Amino acid sequence: AQKVTQAQTEISVVEKEDVTLDCVYETRDTTYYLFWYKQPPSGELVFLIRRNSFDEQNEISGRYSWNFQKSTSSFNFTITASQVVDSAVYFCALSGRKRSTGANSKLTFGKGITLSVRP
Amino acid sequence: DAGVTQSPTHLIKTRGQQVTLRCSPKSGHDTVSWYQQALGQGPQFIFQYYEEEERQRGNFPDRFSGHQFPNYSSELNVNALLLGDSALYLCASSLGPKSTQGFGNTIYFGEGSWLTVV
Repeated sequence: AQKVTQAQTEISVVEKEDVTLDCVYETRDTTYYLFWYKQPPSGELVFLIRRNSFDEQNEISGRYSWNFQKSTSSFNFTITASQVVDSAVYFCALSGRKRSTGANSKLTFGKGITLSVRP
Repeated sequence: DAGVTQSPTHLIKTRGQQVTLRCSPKSGHDTVSWYQQALGQGPQFIFQYYEEEERQRGNFPDRFSGHQFPNYSSELNVNALLLGDSALYLCASSLGPKSTQGFGNTIYFGEGSWLTVV
């Protein structure tokens, strides 16, 4: 079974601070993908980043960066110089591969982290 | 490029009634999945449709059923509504396994349908 744990429930920072959102996952799949989504109050899940299990290279995309460590099953997400517009709920999610079809298996989500950025 | 669209955005139903939610996937996508998100929780997978067939199913009762049409759009039906069915229902679209990016491709979500059962 797959499991995603987001131990942080709420984080509050002042604008321009850096903030790191933690994610720990469990899976028996050898090939899998990890995602981060942002959910503003409107409800839509907005895709942010994805990383496959065989590429541990960490990257930076604008103000976003991520740290994927297979050894500790962690996929942490950092927002640099946070802005008020970053306030939202952030979800980490895991997708395996459905062997019978080769398609994405279901996404397994964590419970989310509510980020509040104060001006 | 149209994203994932869902309708209706909000609806209120009475316990015991039936509801149908609709989803049009992102242009070029052929796989649709449905998720239920209760307040304060992460989304939970209901089922996935590809080539008009249910391919995967989460831990939801048979009261939850779906359909995919030849144009890849999809419906989620919930019968005999319970108070506990009140939630945000999210539709997600992606490319299917025949795509070179079938596995691991980005999964896009719509804005959801907020269902309240009273």
